[in-house]
Amino acid sequence: DVKVTQSSRYLVKRTGEKVFLECVQDMDHENMFWYRQDPGLGLRLIYFSYDVKMKEKGDIPEGYSVSREKKERFSLILESASTNQTSMYLCASSLVPQYQETQYFGPGTRLLVL
Amino acid sequence: AQKVTQAQTEISVVEKEDVTLDCVYETRDTTYYLFWYKQPPSGELVFLIRRNSFDEQNEISGRYSWNFQKSTSSFNFTITASQVVDSAVYFCALSEAVTGNQFYFGTGTSLTVIP
Repeated sequence: DVKVTQSSRYLVKRTGEKVFLECVQDMDHENMFWYRQDPGLGLRLIYFSYDVKMKEKGDIPEGYSVSREKKERFSLILESASTNQTSMYLCASSLVPQYQETQYFGPGTRLLVL
Repeated sequence: AQKVTQAQTEISVVEKEDVTLDCVYETRDTTYYLFWYKQPPSGELVFLIRRNSFDEQNEISGRYSWNFQKSTSSFNFTITASQVVDSAVYFCALSEAVTGNQFYFGTGTSLTVIP
């Protein structure tokens, strides 16, 4: 079974703090994704990575950056957290960067920015 | 424009009733995949099914069934004899060959099964 883990289930941060969300997958997947989920908006893609040190912007990259130094780990960074970044963050991975590949998700991190 | 539309925001049914969750998609690509995911209260999206654009056969898995109709661009999901454990948010998603591995998700349908 594919296992995608995220470093925290719940996180509370203050405005202006730098926030790191970590995601690890154990199935040697090439592709990794970061989404945010908000009520009424579904899942929106922030960034994805199809290889180590490679990254591509998704639909809403503003205010975020990512890092992929190792194949199994994909980090999402909020350089200066703001209240409008309060959300559920979901990490996913898929085997190869092809359209037919299923994405497998982690349990999510609920971030509250005060 | 929304590529995947789940018009039903919330649905409530009484246990043992059948329920159908609608999914309508929009694409100009002839080669694409459709997916359904379940998100229980714990938060993790669980993969349910994947269907490619060349396979319009209906799929049945236990109490779950899926009806794919290209003529109406729909990929609907039916739960037969619903149970409380089916309570979750369900997402439909589309991926297209032309755009590679990006998924387009609908906004989800929240299903509550009342005991």
